[in-house]
Amino acid sequence: QKEVEQDPGPLSVPEGAIVSLNCTYSNSAFQYFMWYRQYSRKGPELLMYTYSSGNREDGRFTAQVDKSSKYISLFIRDSQPSDSATYLCAMSGRGYNKLIFGAGTRLAVHP
Amino acid sequence: EAGVTQFPSHSVIEKGQTVTLRCDPISGHDNLYWYRRVMGKEIKFLLHFVKESKQDESGMPNNRFLAERTGGTYSTLKVQPAELEDSGVYFCASSRRDRDTQYFGPGTRLTVL
Repeated sequence: QKEVEQDPGPLSVPEGAIVSLNCTYSNSAFQYFMWYRQYSRKGPELLMYTYSSGNREDGRFTAQVDKSSKYISLFIRDSQPSDSATYLCAMSGRGYNKLIFGAGTRLAVHP
Repeated sequence: EAGVTQFPSHSVIEKGQTVTLRCDPISGHDNLYWYRRVMGKEIKFLLHFVKESKQDESGMPNNRFLAERTGGTYSTLKVQPAELEDSGVYFCASSRRDRDTQYFGPGTRLTVL
């Protein structure tokens, strides 16, 4: 069983839609939760960072962490064509720095 | 501030050959990480340097892979001899301090024929 599960998609939505991206994980030691965005032929770029449980909002993006369910989400409001990319969840635990990634979800927002 | 740079952007070699990938971290970043993504799989951690010391090399797949970071600046990752299953995208990331945001480079796409 993978430590982090993420539906690879692809996910296709119309411009202006609300997008929900999710990951589940099995390791209860994870405490740091991140969402990266990766455009084609580029490296991952940090989008959101959450420590432990709770929500974090930044503009059109909201990250949620539910440690009791081992489930994290990223919501994108008013999605734009420029949001078309692969979204990767990543996690790490206390005492180590390495990131454990999900497989990534490909998102396409069409005008 | 310049980002993480990697060279080459793409390398095509034959099985059994040697390839060396280079990563230049963001200036002042003591922490340097190597990750890779092989076809159809998730990005996986290879190793972590703090300055010139290997902090964690638990992700290195086997002894055909050698990473160095002499002087605590740029890092190289050598694959010798390369095998077909080594094909993928190799990413380098750096962070200023422990637990800080990791900034990724664009990756080196390695193709082993």
